[in-house]
Amino acid sequence: ETGVTQTPRHLVMGMTNKKSLKCEQHLGHNAMYWYKQSAKKPLELMFVYNFKEQTENNSVPSRFSPECPNSSHLFLHLHTLQPEDSALYLCASSHPGDRANYGYTFGSGTRLTVV
Amino acid sequence: ELKVEQNPLFLSMQEGKNYTIYCNYSTTSDRLYWYRQDPGKSLESLFVLLSNGAVKQEGRLMASLDTKARLSTLHITAAVHDLSATYFCAGQVTGNTPLVFGKGTRLSVIA
Repeated sequence: ETGVTQTPRHLVMGMTNKKSLKCEQHLGHNAMYWYKQSAKKPLELMFVYNFKEQTENNSVPSRFSPECPNSSHLFLHLHTLQPEDSALYLCASSHPGDRANYGYTFGSGTRLTVV
Repeated sequence: ELKVEQNPLFLSMQEGKNYTIYCNYSTTSDRLYWYRQDPGKSLESLFVLLSNGAVKQEGRLMASLDTKARLSTLHITAAVHDLSATYFCAGQVTGNTPLVFGKGTRLSVIA
C-alpha cells in the first residue's frame, strides 16, 4: 500500500454507462493528479488540483469530469466513454511547490475497459 | 513545453551485465525523477535528482543528472532478474509544475 488508495482496481463499462473512479490519500499532501496510462503512449497528465482548486486541465474531453471535495479525496466521473478511453488511470498526490522534492506518490491505478 | 525522451524503450539484458538507460529533456528542468513500475502495479519512486552533478545510488541502480547536457542516466550494475520492470524518468520545470514523463524503458533481465 503506497498511501494513495484507488478504487475500483478494475472496471468494465459500456459506452452509455456512468461510473466514477475514487482516489484517497492521507499523506498530508495538498496536490492531487489524474494521469492516463495507455499501452503505447507516455503517461498523460489529465487534471491537477492544488488545495482543492483545479489548476490544470490538459485538454481532456468533457466525458471525463474531475471532482475534488477536499485535499484528501479526488474523483473522476466518467460518462459516454469511447473504447479508446480504455487505459490504466493513475491518481497521484504530492506537496506542491518547494516541498515537492520527493515527487509524486502514485496509487495502484484503475484498469478501465470500455466495451 | 518540457519534453522527455528515454532510450532505449526496450532492453533485454543478461544477468550480471551492466547497462545504462538515458533520459534527455528539452528545456530547463528543476528536478528529475526516476520511477519503477512492475506489471499491473503502481509507480514506485526510485530517485529524485535536484541539482547538476547529483548522483544517487540504491543497490544495483545509480542515477545521475547533468543539467548542462539536459541528460539523466540510470545505470544498472550486475543485473539480476528482480530488476525486470519498466523504468520511467520524469522532469519538472519547477516545483509548482506537473511532472512530465518519458515513455518508459521496459527492462527484461534474463538468465
